[in-house]
Amino acid sequence: SQTIHQWPATLVQPVGSPLSLECTVEGTSNPNLYWYRQAAGRGLQLLFYSVGIGQISSEVPQNLSASRPQDRQFILSSKKLLLSDSGFYLCAWTGGTGELFFGEGSRLTVL
Amino acid sequence: AQRVTQPEKLLSVFKGAPVELKCNYSYSGSPELFWYVQYSRQRLQLLLRHISRESIKGFTADLNKGETSFHLKKPFAQEEDSAMYYCALSLFSSNTGKLIFGQGTTLQVKP
Repeated sequence: SQTIHQWPATLVQPVGSPLSLECTVEGTSNPNLYWYRQAAGRGLQLLFYSVGIGQISSEVPQNLSASRPQDRQFILSSKKLLLSDSGFYLCAWTGGTGELFFGEGSRLTVL
Repeated sequence: AQRVTQPEKLLSVFKGAPVELKCNYSYSGSPELFWYVQYSRQRLQLLLRHISRESIKGFTADLNKGETSFHLKKPFAQEEDSAMYYCALSLFSSNTGKLIFGQGTTLQVKP
């Protein structure tokens, strides 16, 4: 069966520090992958999506970037974090059925 | 532009009362709509999708293209229904599998 893992689960970082959140999917190949941010009062905002290795589409201008170095690996990064980057980040995948499968999330606090 | 609106941030009802979580969408194409649910300390997961026309955990949702709505209903709320509910619009016609989510509604069912 397919599973999706995200880490770290919790992260506290100072302003200006780098960020790397990792997401991997098991049990499927060539999934579409997504990074969402869940912010209080703002719902779920799509940040990036990828339909294949090295293919990244950005949905909103921001301080973050994404990469997909392998078929089932999706990484969310930043060179210098801002206070406004704090939030709950969710990775998700779909195999084309229409249903999104979400990871457990990574809570980022920027101080 | 595609948009999903959930007008209520919080909906509080007593156990046994009817529940209706509102969702309106804006999309020029043929819509495919979903309801996702996040229970406390659990992953965000699919509750139901309009094309399935099924009832899940007593919940139903009917797509009303005239009113561009997809409200989620349950005749008798249970305490275990307390959770965050997100309405989502699929952009599968774009071949990306993207879902656009609403702001979410927290359902609180009181004993």
